[in-house]
Amino acid sequence: RKEVEQDPGPFNVPEGATVAFNCTYSNSASQSFFWYRQDCRKEPKLLMSVYSSGNEDGRFTAQLNRASQYISLLIRDSKLSDSATYLCVVNGGNSWGKLQFGAGTQVVVTP
Amino acid sequence: NAGVTQTPKFQVLKTGQSMTLQCAQDMNHNSMYWYRQDPGMGLRLIYYSASEGTTDKGEVPNGYNVSRLNKREFSLRLESAAPSQTSVYFCASSDDGGYNEQFFGPGTRLTVL
Repeated sequence: RKEVEQDPGPFNVPEGATVAFNCTYSNSASQSFFWYRQDCRKEPKLLMSVYSSGNEDGRFTAQLNRASQYISLLIRDSKLSDSATYLCVVNGGNSWGKLQFGAGTQVVVTP
Repeated sequence: NAGVTQTPKFQVLKTGQSMTLQCAQDMNHNSMYWYRQDPGMGLRLIYYSASEGTTDKGEVPNGYNVSRLNKREFSLRLESAAPSQTSVYFCASSDDGGYNEQFFGPGTRLTVL
């Protein structure tokens, strides 16, 4: 079983609509959670960290559910520029804390 | 402030050839990492260096070696390239032991024929 699992998509979203997707993780000892964004053929870049109480950054909202071991990302009022692959990233939970990356969820925002 | 830089950007090798991928960061980070990214798979850790002078194996170390030359530079060497090593290679750095944000270089696209 993969340590971090994501629906690969693509999620096709009309401009201005809301899209949400989840990621599940297997290590209950994980302590840090992130969403990274990766544009085609580019390097991953941090979108936002995910905190236990949930957090919002503009149009982006991230939630953590420790009991069910998943995190979610919601994008409101989608822009064409939001088209990208979103990587779920989880701290491995061991003493050093190497990050585990999901394979990504592709989002395509259409005019 | 260039962040994380990688050279080369593209490389084509023949099976059995060797090469070194270079990575440098100017953020004074302690930790550095090498990942590979293949279609349909998440980034997989090849090797990492938690601090200057230390290196450790990640998830997929076979066929690779690394050198943490100094705090800024972390190189990845393929001694005898194989077609299975065709991939995109990313170098990253972070300020701690992997609990916080990692900053990535632009990647090296390697094809082994």
